[in-house]
Amino acid sequence: GNSVTQMEGPVTLSEEAFLTINCTYTATGYPSLFWYVQYPGEGLQLLLKATKADDKGSNKGFEATYRKETTSFHLEKGSVQVSDSAVYFCALSFGGSNYKLTFGKGTLLTVNP
Amino acid sequence: GAGVSQTPSNKVTEKGKYVELRCDPISGHTALYWYRQSLGQGPEFLIYFQGTGAADDSGLPNDRFFAVRPEGSVSTLKIQRTERGDSAVYLCASSSTGVGTGELFFGEGSRLTVL
Repeated sequence: GNSVTQMEGPVTLSEEAFLTINCTYTATGYPSLFWYVQYPGEGLQLLLKATKADDKGSNKGFEATYRKETTSFHLEKGSVQVSDSAVYFCALSFGGSNYKLTFGKGTLLTVNP
Repeated sequence: GAGVSQTPSNKVTEKGKYVELRCDPISGHTALYWYRQSLGQGPEFLIYFQGTGAADDSGLPNDRFFAVRPEGSVSTLKIQRTERGDSAVYLCASSSTGVGTGELFFGEGSRLTVL
């Protein structure tokens, strides 16, 4: 079946540090890939997405590139802020059933001032 | 409303009891979804409604779980004869279209604890 494996947390960084959260997937075919974020006290929200190989999703300074050859979708940000502290989830879905997301376990990021 | 609203935010019940969890989606959203998030895991798909009908209920774990959306807006997830393994955060999401966008808007969830 389909699965998503993401970097174990928690991750603790200082403000302005570089962030990478690794995500790899196993799937039959070519899924769409997503990063969702959950800020404290809020619901999950879409951070960025990519729907085909070599696409780069970007939002709020975060980026992730869909790498078919390595089945990866790593999340990066050049300079994190305290406000980026949250739980980050990598997820996949397939075209006709984009609602049926398969999520990774989530990675807790804490950014200290 | 401004976002997806779920009630109750917390529910503690005893094994064997019946539980209802309510979801009020974003106004105008035709598609509604339920997910379940167990401790230390990512959310797992349960059921998807398009309008009043369940378009995909393949994620419901067994026949103790049932969900309705009688008027195409508010949905209720019903769990009969609760078991300790049902303890989890139940997430509701909605979207303006059923498929294709990939952007689901999630509520904060209802945390269910079965003692």
